[in-house]
Amino acid sequence: GAVVSQHPSWVICKSGTSVKIECRSLDFQATTMFWYRQFPKQSLMLMATSNEGSKATYEQGVEKDKFLINHASLTLSTLTVTSAHPEDSSFYICSARGVVRGHNTDTQYFGPGTRLTVL
Amino acid sequence: ELKVEQNPLFLSMQEGKNYTIYCNYSTTSDRLYWYRQDPGKSLESLFVLLSNGAVKQEGRLMASLDTKARLSTLHITAAVHDLSATYFCAVVRRGGGNKLVFGAGTILRVKS
Repeated sequence: GAVVSQHPSWVICKSGTSVKIECRSLDFQATTMFWYRQFPKQSLMLMATSNEGSKATYEQGVEKDKFLINHASLTLSTLTVTSAHPEDSSFYICSARGVVRGHNTDTQYFGPGTRLTVL
Repeated sequence: ELKVEQNPLFLSMQEGKNYTIYCNYSTTSDRLYWYRQDPGKSLESLFVLLSNGAVKQEGRLMASLDTKARLSTLHITAAVHDLSATYFCAVVRRGGGNKLVFGAGTILRVKS
């Protein structure tokens, strides 16, 4: 139980285009989802937190108009990188927490990540 | 502001040797995680430590938590090549959604 998937696993796009990444909780209800970014050989940096049905909360320094987050259901959150530029190339990882096997849990379950390359 | 520091950042060790990775954090927290990350992959959860004095072991890895010293250790016993990976500790930041703050990671290379 507690499986999180991401789609796509990798994407290459041209500069100036927008890219949408999906994060799904497959077998539990995710009341909260988190989006992280990881540059090569660096740690994970939290970008934003989203609660189902409400607006995302962005960490300091993260542009909310550039990284659009939608958490419209208890199993799906999306991150859209708008007008992507080469410096947005990174590994994007989502995580989810919520009700697992009937219990509310504080543990975050991580997706497999999406590698974005902007040319 | 919660800061999490890991050391060493890079560790090269021979198979069969023991070593310890340290994770210090700056403000009170009651939950600490250890994760493993292989190249190009996401995080694999290793341990969650919930209370002072907690010790957990899985195979050649053992993690402990001292909440008074704000210190966790990940001890590797008789390292094998398969343990080569990057190891992260992460601490829950209380308030404002219980978010995780990650350490910089320790790159472990076990040489045959």
